[in-house]
Amino acid sequence: DAGVTQSPTHLIKTRGQQVTLRCSPISGHKSVSWYQQVLGQGPQFIFQYYEKEERGRGNFPDRFSARQFPNYSSELNVNALLLGDSALYLCASSYLPWAGQPQHFGDGTRLSIL
Amino acid sequence: DAKTTQPNSMESNEEEPVHLPCNHSTISGTDYIHWYRQLPSQGPEYVIHGLTSNVNNRMASLAIAEDRKSSTLILHRATLRDAAVYYCILSADYGGSQGNLIFGKGTKLSVKP
Repeated sequence: DAGVTQSPTHLIKTRGQQVTLRCSPISGHKSVSWYQQVLGQGPQFIFQYYEKEERGRGNFPDRFSARQFPNYSSELNVNALLLGDSALYLCASSYLPWAGQPQHFGDGTRLSIL
Repeated sequence: DAKTTQPNSMESNEEEPVHLPCNHSTISGTDYIHWYRQLPSQGPEYVIHGLTSNVNNRMASLAIAEDRKSSTLILHRATLRDAAVYYCILSADYGGSQGNLIFGKGTKLSVKP
């Protein structure tokens, strides 16, 4: 079975632009979470979605938004890009959004802001 | 904020067992203990998780102290492919985290041939 897939794998943008990142969860998984990983640090939680509803949000500005579609895939949008948004953006899926469920990660989208 | 404490780095020899420690003295009764690892240029990989009892799977074993204030991830025979950053994470279905993963800095494991 295919794992979590993310697209694109790499992206270069300039300050002030907007970006959309995409994630397809493992088949049968209904929950998707997004994480940001800055170089040298552990991933930081951004959003969690379950059944198209936002279930959790981390400490990120309103420039960050996301949504989940009926097929459980998800998009992460970032507006008004800043240099500090340069990072690896990770998507993770799980069957249910509970603490006892393992999360399975994709290999991420590497976003570089010039 | 991460609620676990791990050594910054550890070294192991190939084909020897590795014991990766994690302290979580403020753990609550409903916190699950998760372990993930991250190889260079890859997303984190789920390793194992548990609540109260020791757990075994094909990748590793998780030993949980009786008071649950610490745990140990055991790799039975380290290989060069096990060189990675290992994260010990508490996850709960309450409060701000709602089952999400709060990563700390993890332990960087090096494996020598």
